[in-house]
Amino acid sequence: QLHLQESGPGLVRPSATLSLTCTVSGGSISNSPYYWNWIRQPPGKGLEWIGSIYYSGSTSYNPSLKGRATISVDTSKNQFSLQLQSVTAADAAVYYCAKAAYGNYLLYYFYMDVWGKGTTVPVSS
Amino acid sequence: SYELTQPPSVSVSPRQTARITCSADVLPKQYTNWYQQKPGQAPVIVIYKDNERPSGIPERFSGSSSGTTVTLTISGVQAEDEADYYCQSADTSGLVVFGGGTKLTVL
Repeated sequence: QLHLQESGPGLVRPSATLSLTCTVSGGSISNSPYYWNWIRQPPGKGLEWIGSIYYSGSTSYNPSLKGRATISVDTSKNQFSLQLQSVTAADAAVYYCAKAAYGNYLLYYFYMDVWGKGTTVPVSS
Repeated sequence: SYELTQPPSVSVSPRQTARITCSADVLPKQYTNWYQQKPGQAPVIVIYKDNERPSGIPERFSGSSSGTTVTLTISGVQAEDEADYYCQSADTSGLVVFGGGTKLTVL
């Protein structure tokens, strides 16, 4: 059974770069027909998709982040990572990684069926 | 990119039927999915591709679609169904969007 686990620093300073890693176990990222995603949830607010990556390295990002996010994949470690530059207090959130199935069957589908438990990232000096 | 609009809250009595809507602001609508999130937990998918139910999700959860609106229906609501529910879709360029979420309260 596929399992995803987020890891990263317990605290990020304002203007610094937030770095998180998602380790995938129970399956391989390599050659898997899935997208690997980062999603965040500020305290008391809704879910926000940050971006996704395919095992080949192809990426998509939420335009609202204005180019601050970078997602990369390391197939040798079965991990994918998020870097978010120039963080502010508004970036404080629970960050989730998730695997998404996708495809075209009459319409386009993209759904996240396996999620990590999430990691809380406070932003403070 | 586009937006998905959900009502902020829905209240229902136990054993009644809850319906949560999600409206897309553009056409063509792509498939929509629903996630349940309980406090302090990660979201769990309960409906995908508008109306398909993953294994392990109770039959009382169902989905439907009409035009640009999709609906999550929970028949015979139980106390354990009290949670936040989010719809989600994606366009063919790979951009993913979530609705704002609906808090389901079981009275």
